[in-house]
Amino acid sequence: QSALTQPASVSGSPGQSITISCTGTSSDVGGYNYVSWYQQHPGKAPKLMIYDVSIRPSGVSNRFSGSKSGNTASLTISGLQAEDEADFYCSSYTSSSTWVFGGGTKVTVL
Amino acid sequence: QLQLQESGPGLVKPSETLSLTCTVSGGSISSTSYYWGWIRQPPGKGLEWIGNIYYSENTYYNPSLKSRVTISVDTSKNQFSLKLSSVNAADTAVYYCVSKFAGSGRFDPWGQGTLVTVSS
Repeated sequence: QSALTQPASVSGSPGQSITISCTGTSSDVGGYNYVSWYQQHPGKAPKLMIYDVSIRPSGVSNRFSGSKSGNTASLTISGLQAEDEADFYCSSYTSSSTWVFGGGTKVTVL
Repeated sequence: QLQLQESGPGLVKPSETLSLTCTVSGGSISSTSYYWGWIRQPPGKGLEWIGNIYYSENTYYNPSLKSRVTISVDTSKNQFSLKLSSVNAADTAVYYCVSKFAGSGRFDPWGQGTLVTVSS
């Protein structure tokens, strides 16, 4: 199975909004509403930010939102803050009953 | 509040078998509400799903690792384990144990992760 495609890096200034894309195929992202997003700070375990495309777990800031169109899912961070600087990964269920991750996106707050 | 903790050797020799255990607290490993799984991350690289187990017997593995991976459950100890055979340097990674709520795509919570280095 091939990894989902994410941009290597995205940057923005404090207060701005940024969007991270996650592109797959009709056999994964496009075929199921099981896309999740994880934030990982250096040396830490990943943290769930969005699941099932657009559901935000309790305790996660409402500045994080998720969506999907066709084979591409997106994570939007609004009101960018210094603490948002981290690596972000998407994941999706696949038609083979497996799970696949994206390559990761480094978010930099300028 | 479900919590997961990995344990096992931090150094494994090439061609040998990597064995890790994940201890579950705050919930029963026999619950039909959860899948239990493993995800790894080589140093400086991205996340790779290894596999899941459901209800102690239904297993799902990454096709690229399937021939070398076994995930199993020990209900008496509320633990699940990972065995990866014939390891090489490319298997050096931080290994995370995770739970996944059935009927959802979320992997949560994660263990803190344990670094396993493959070297002679």
